[in-house]
Amino acid sequence: DQQVKQNSPSLSVQEGRISILNCDYTNSMFDYFLWYKKYPAEGPTFLISISSIKDKNEDGRFTVFLNKSAKHLSLHIVPSQPGDSAVYFCAARATNTGNQFYFGTGTSLTVIP
Amino acid sequence: ETGVTQSPTHLIKTRGQQVTLRCSSQSGHNTVSWYQQALGQGPQFIFQYYREEENGRGNFPPRFSGLQFPNYSSELNVNALELDDSALYLCASSLLDGQGTYEQYFGPGTRLTVT
Repeated sequence: DQQVKQNSPSLSVQEGRISILNCDYTNSMFDYFLWYKKYPAEGPTFLISISSIKDKNEDGRFTVFLNKSAKHLSLHIVPSQPGDSAVYFCAARATNTGNQFYFGTGTSLTVIP
Repeated sequence: ETGVTQSPTHLIKTRGQQVTLRCSSQSGHNTVSWYQQALGQGPQFIFQYYREEENGRGNFPPRFSGLQFPNYSSELNVNALELDDSALYLCASSLLDGQGTYEQYFGPGTRLTVT
């Protein structure tokens, strides 16, 4: 049962434009969400997080939006750069299930120069 | 500050054998989590260790076991290997406080192939 879903396996964006990566979840008890970036042959790298008490968190070019009623979060990258090309995973945690993080299947982002 | 390291990088085993994967946590972290990432999938939580005890487990059979040592390094042991165990195994360290576990910092992973 996939509790965190990323329905777009891939996304291509022109350099300088906005990249929007989406993630949906089913467990209403999730209270903490994260985005990770993964390059080939490397482990995932933490990018940005958001608590369920917020609806937006911004860090430089990266902004995460959380819509709890829709059980949806998105990652916006503005402006997109070729170095952003990687696989992006969203992950979620529910305090009542301990410290287990649930990951989506990833979206491969390609930023075209 | 040293990052999370894992060994070996790659490993080939035969079905039915046993394997041990190793992980060294990032300095200052007290918690280690292990994940299995099959091809085309996201990481799947195997278990977490905190202060040398299992602190949560995902939907994996008992032949997946682990250890955490006083220096917070960790091992993942898999017995009676099956073909479906072929995957990238990721170790992640984090700091667990009264609020729960926050960002996890991942190692580069061990690629296990079972033939």
